[in-house]
Amino acid sequence: TQLLEQSPQFLSIQEGENLTVYCNSSSVFSSLQWYRQEPGEGPVLLVTVVTGGEVKKLKRLTFQFGDARKDSSLHITAAQPGDTGLYLCAGAVRRGGADGLTFGKGTHLIIQP
Amino acid sequence: ETGVTQTPRHLVMGMTNKKSLKCEQHLGHNAMYWYKQSAKKPLELMFVYSLEERVENNSVPSRFSPECPNSSHLFLHLHTLQPEDSALYLCASSQEVRGLGWDYEQYFGPGTRLTVT
Repeated sequence: TQLLEQSPQFLSIQEGENLTVYCNSSSVFSSLQWYRQEPGEGPVLLVTVVTGGEVKKLKRLTFQFGDARKDSSLHITAAQPGDTGLYLCAGAVRRGGADGLTFGKGTHLIIQP
Repeated sequence: ETGVTQTPRHLVMGMTNKKSLKCEQHLGHNAMYWYKQSAKKPLELMFVYSLEERVENNSVPSRFSPECPNSSHLFLHLHTLQPEDSALYLCASSQEVRGLGWDYEQYFGPGTRLTVT
């Protein structure tokens, strides 16, 4: 069973601050995805990282996949209230058919104006 | 309609009721999924359908019964549920490309908030 541990579970910071959230596992994943979920809605895909060491940027969000493809981080620069939400990481293991993802419990992020 | 839609958005049912959740995807995808999201627990994969064939059932109790009549529609039939089944039920879809080993980015619906009384 692959498990993804996300930290911190909860984070509340002021607008303009920087933050990093982490997603760790003892398992190797063929890719890792980050989603953001707002109350009353389903998760929305932010990014997929595939190659060990890969870094992807999405405006103020920077995603990194660990060299060993076991962990990932999400860094937000100059956080804004619109960044508030539940951030989920999800790992995929390449198998023969369509697969569901293994999700972490998520990081609840609150950006206070 | 665009993306993935789910109905109803909210459902309250007694333990002896029978109800069904509906999901429809307008993305032309060929795989669909049911997930359960409970407080303080990770999203749990329940069922996977690929090309309308069920390929995975993660030890889900038989009181949950999925149905996939075509690649655009997915149902979850519910009967004699327990209070611990109260949760947000999410449907997702993806495009599976056999043989390429691509890891399938999933597109989620808004979910059905289910309360079992």
